[in-house]
Amino acid sequence: QKEVEQNSGPLSVPEGAIASLNCTYSDRGSQSFFWYRQYSGKSPELIMFIYSNGDKEDGRFTAQLNKASQYVSLLIRDSQPSDSATYLCAVGGFKTIFGAGTRLFVKA
Amino acid sequence: KAGVTQTPRYLIKTRGQQVTLSCSPISGHRSVSWYQQTPGQGLQFLFEYFSETQRNKGNFPGRFSGRQFSNSRSEMNVSTLELGDSALYLCASSLDRGTGGNTIYFGEGSWLTVV
Repeated sequence: QKEVEQNSGPLSVPEGAIASLNCTYSDRGSQSFFWYRQYSGKSPELIMFIYSNGDKEDGRFTAQLNKASQYVSLLIRDSQPSDSATYLCAVGGFKTIFGAGTRLFVKA
Repeated sequence: KAGVTQTPRYLIKTRGQQVTLSCSPISGHRSVSWYQQTPGQGLQFLFEYFSETQRNKGNFPGRFSGRQFSNSRSEMNVSTLELGDSALYLCASSLDRGTGGNTIYFGEGSWLTVV
C-alpha cells in the first residue's frame, strides 16, 4: 500500500463545474496536509494546507480533512481552463510524502 | 523575499559523468529536501538535510549524495550518470522539520538530460 494515494486521472470537468480531487494516506500519525498544483514543465506550487479536521476555504479552493478516515480532498469551484494541471497531495509528519498526483483537465 | 533558487536550470551530461546541482533555500529556512521527478515515477524523495545533517533518505543508490552548508545552502551530486537519471531535480525548503511537518516550498528545478 502506498503511503499517499491519489487517483492518477485524468479528471475532466467542464468550465464552471466543481472539480473534486481525493487523497488517502496510511500513516495515522500524520499531522499536516498540503495540496500543490503543478503545471506541465514547472515546479509544484503550494495551493493550501490544512491541519485540523473539517473544511478550509481559500477563494475557489476548499480543502477537506477527515483524519478518522485518513482522507483529504480538494474542491475547486467554478473551474477554469487555467486550473488544468496536476494536483499533488502531500502528507507531513516525520517527513513529507507526496502522492503521484491527479491530472485535471478543465474543458472550455 | 527570494524563493528557493536552483542552479543550473538546464544541463546535458554524458553517461558516466557526474553532476552537481545547487540549491539556495528561502532565507531563514533550515530544512532542504531534494526530489527527483520523472514522467513515469512522479515525485521521488531523495534526501533531506537539516542543520548540515542528513535527516532522511529515500531509496536511491549511493551514486546520489548531498550535503548542506552552514548557511543552509545545499548541493546534490550524482556520480556515474545513467540514462535513467534524466529527470527534473527539485529542491525544496521549509522553516523547520519538526514532527508536525512544515510547509515545503519548491525551487524551479534543474532539468538534467543524460545522453
